[in-house]
Amino acid sequence: NAGVTQTPKFRILKIGQSMTLQCAQDMNHNYMYWYRQDPGMGLKLIYYSVGAGITDKGEVPNGYNVSRSTTEDFPLRLELAAPSQTSVYFCASSPESGEAFFGQGTRLTVV
Amino acid sequence: AQSVTQPDIHITVSEGASLELRCNYSYGATPYLFWYVQSPGQGLQLLLKYFSGDTLVQGIKGFEAEFKRSQSSFNLRKPSVHWSDAAEYFCAVEVNDYKLSFGAGTTVTVRA
Repeated sequence: NAGVTQTPKFRILKIGQSMTLQCAQDMNHNYMYWYRQDPGMGLKLIYYSVGAGITDKGEVPNGYNVSRSTTEDFPLRLELAAPSQTSVYFCASSPESGEAFFGQGTRLTVV
Repeated sequence: AQSVTQPDIHITVSEGASLELRCNYSYGATPYLFWYVQSPGQGLQLLLKYFSGDTLVQGIKGFEAEFKRSQSSFNLRKPSVHWSDAAEYFCAVEVNDYKLSFGAGTTVTVRA
């Protein structure tokens, strides 16, 4: 019963470095999402995907990229990390009901 | 644009007392509405959802919520709070492509 799995759980990056946040789901959901959570701001949508090979921007996509080569995986790429990208990142997946299932999150600090 | 407002940033409640968390939304059509709970260091867990039909919906952990179209509200309630209910609560509305728009959250502290 894995659900949505995110790795790593914690990461510290230096300014200008890049990294990939991994997300995998085993529920055969077509819809997948990346959110970032900042204190007092709720969750903001970064990117989403409605199926393998299809991705689109959310509210705050700048500085990020995604790909969706399989139904299961939806990695988030940070290029040229900046302090403004310090946040907690959540991956989620959803069947067509709109009920999202969330991973445990990745806490990223950019210094 | 669709939006979700949670007017209360922080609520403190005594164990055994009742709890009500407010949520107001701005949306052109009949929305799909959700409440999620986030315990410290954890991901979000769905408490309950409203799609259509009965405007009073029951969720997990003894929570319920009432959809009031006239007030554009979807308030969450629990009759008797337990210490384990201390967490952050998020109201959300579904926008197109099954994306969720979240409120800023309400932190609940439970005192003994």
